[in-house]
Amino acid sequence: QSALTQPASVSGSPGQSITISCTGTSSDVGSYNLVSWYQQHPGKAPKLMIYEGSKRPSGVSNRFSGSKSGNTASLTISGLQAEDEADYYCCSYAGSSTRVVFGGGTKLTVL
Amino acid sequence: EVQLVESGGGLVQPGGSLRLSCAASGFTFSSYWMSWVRQAPGKGLEWVANIKQDGSEKYYVDSVKGRFTISRDNAKNSLYLQMNSLRAEDTAVYYCAHYDFWSGLDYWGQGTLVTVSS
Repeated sequence: QSALTQPASVSGSPGQSITISCTGTSSDVGSYNLVSWYQQHPGKAPKLMIYEGSKRPSGVSNRFSGSKSGNTASLTISGLQAEDEADYYCCSYAGSSTRVVFGGGTKLTVL
Repeated sequence: EVQLVESGGGLVQPGGSLRLSCAASGFTFSSYWMSWVRQAPGKGLEWVANIKQDGSEKYYVDSVKGRFTISRDNAKNSLYLQMNSLRAEDTAVYYCAHYDFWSGLDYWGQGTLVTVSS
C-alpha cells in the first residue's frame, strides 16, 4: 500500500497555470480511471475537486482540470488565484483488497 | 445538505482504546460505502478503512489491521471506528467521509482529534 508520488511543493503567480503530477503504478493509477483530487486549506477538511480523473463536481471552478497518462495523473489549475493556495492531494482506487491510496500531498503557493 | 459529524476523539494512553462515531444526515446513509481517513499533525492524508453499505465488506490499511474495526448502524445513520492497542503513531485528526466508487470521497466531516500519549 505505497503512497502515490506528488511533488512536495509548486508555486505560481496570479493568472498563471500550474500542474501537479501524481505518479502511481500499474496496480492503481495505471489500471483504473478512478483518480480524485482534493484541496485542503489549513485547519479545514479536504474538498473534492476532481473525480474519475477529469470530472468536476458541481460548484468547482472550471479552472481546475485533470488528466492521466499511463501511471501518472495530473491536476492543472489555470488562472491562478490567491484562494487557490492550499495543499492538494491525489487519490486512486487501488483494487479490491487495498481500495484507496493517497499521494503525499503538494503545497501550492500563489506568489 | 450532506452533513457528517465526528465525535469521540480525545487523549488516550498508548495501548488504550477509543471509539469514534460519525453521525450522517442529508443522504441515504444505507446506500453508500463509508470511509475513515486520518491526518497526522503536519502530515498528509492517509486512508484508514472502508465499509460497504450493509457492512458485509470491510477494508483496512495495513498499519491498523487487527487493531481497528470499522462498523456502521444504518438504523442510526452512524459510522464507527473502534480503535484498540493505540500507538503514538495513531495520533491524528480522523475524518469520516462518504465514499463513492466513481466520485471518490465526495463529502467529509470536520474531523476529530485523537492524541495517543502518556
